[in-house]
Amino acid sequence: TQLLEQSPQFLSIQEGENLTVYCNSSSVFSSLQWYRQEPGEGPVLLVTVVTGGEVKKLKRLTFQFGDARKDSSLHITAAQPGDTGLYLCAGEAASGTYKYIFGTGTRLKVLA
Amino acid sequence: DSGVTQTPKHLITATGQRVTLRCSPRSGDLSVYWYQQSLDQGLQFLIQYYNGEERAKGNILERFSAQQFPDLHSELNLSSLELGDSALYFCASSPRGGGGNEQFFGPGTRLTVL
Repeated sequence: TQLLEQSPQFLSIQEGENLTVYCNSSSVFSSLQWYRQEPGEGPVLLVTVVTGGEVKKLKRLTFQFGDARKDSSLHITAAQPGDTGLYLCAGEAASGTYKYIFGTGTRLKVLA
Repeated sequence: DSGVTQTPKHLITATGQRVTLRCSPRSGDLSVYWYQQSLDQGLQFLIQYYNGEERAKGNILERFSAQQFPDLHSELNLSSLELGDSALYFCASSPRGGGGNEQFFGPGTRLTVL
């Protein structure tokens, strides 16, 4: 079974703090996406990482794809209350099953 | 706005009933995906269609079925509804059929089974 395990599951931090969310699998992924979802709404795509070792920055968010393309991380610098939400990694395993799977999710709350 | 539309936004029905959820993908996208998200749960992949053909199947119950029409819109049919089917149902679309495509999600349909 292909799984994407995210850690931590829950995170509550103060505004201005830094944090890192991890997404791990035993499977190789051709690419990984990160999404953010707010309550009652659909996930919104943040970034796609494709190449092993790739690092992408989106303002205060830094995304990294592991060298072996089995894991990824999301680092947020100086978190703000607007960053609050459910962060999901997702992807299709490189075996080409066409089954797109989502990670278990990290629920982030940033307190003002 | 992702460009993916879903109707209805809310649906309240009784156990044993049948409902149809509708999704229109972004213009030009050929793939449609359906997901179920129960309260405080992750997204469960149900099924994917690509250009009218079923491409991948996830944890979709036999009581559920879907199809994609020639104009690329899709419908998810849920029958013999049970209380546990209450959830948010999301549709997503992407330009191509596989390879870890980026997906663009609709606003969801909230189904409540009483």
